[in-house]
Amino acid sequence: NAGVTQTPKFQVLKTGQSMTLQCAQDMNHEYMSWYRQDPGMGLRLIHYSVGAGITDQGEVPNGYNVSRSTTEDFPLRLLSAAPSQTSVYFCASSYHRSRRTMNTEAFFGQGTRLTVV
Amino acid sequence: GQQLNQSPQSMFIQEGEDVSMNCTSSSIFNTWLWYKQEPGEGPVLLIALYKAGELTSNGRLTAQFGITRKDSFLNISASIPSDVGIYFCAGQLPRRADSGAGSYQLTFGKGTKLSVIP
Repeated sequence: NAGVTQTPKFQVLKTGQSMTLQCAQDMNHEYMSWYRQDPGMGLRLIHYSVGAGITDQGEVPNGYNVSRSTTEDFPLRLLSAAPSQTSVYFCASSYHRSRRTMNTEAFFGQGTRLTVV
Repeated sequence: GQQLNQSPQSMFIQEGEDVSMNCTSSSIFNTWLWYKQEPGEGPVLLIALYKAGELTSNGRLTAQFGITRKDSFLNISASIPSDVGIYFCAGQLPRRADSGAGSYQLTFGKGTKLSVIP
């Protein structure tokens, strides 16, 4: 298993450009999510999905779109990049250890380091 | 949103010393997770805790799920240089009857940055 794979690892964008950050997991996890990590802010949830065809907003969704057409893939789109979106982006996937307890664990990709100039 | 207070924010310790860090919240959590993040990498799961009072070890790491379900601590014994990194706690709220998503979402602390002096 490759786990959670993110591409690209590094990206520089000009203000106003658009791009898609890719995320794929091969663990058949239902739940996938995108976080951004900024110094001193910890991990903040951008968008998440509980299954193919279902997505919802997290804590900081503005400026980002997502879709989930398959269980494996969960791309994050920046519509019009702004310097405030300079950050490290992490994709994660999760599953329930048991349906009874609903305990969950999240597995992270290696991140995409995005700079918007 | 929910808040997790993780402390300390940073630590500088001598190699061989023991380390302790903790997370507290005003909310009850169903699960506590501890992650380590090394420079340029994503967070890696170290220990998962599922029951109040549970004490779990992973090598030199030991973590406990607080009896009140509102806190957790992580101890590292006999630290070594490769322990350097940022340690995050994460908590999972109990499932809401109205939303499956609520049973997956995790709340993260802001991290404890550990530096080990050889």
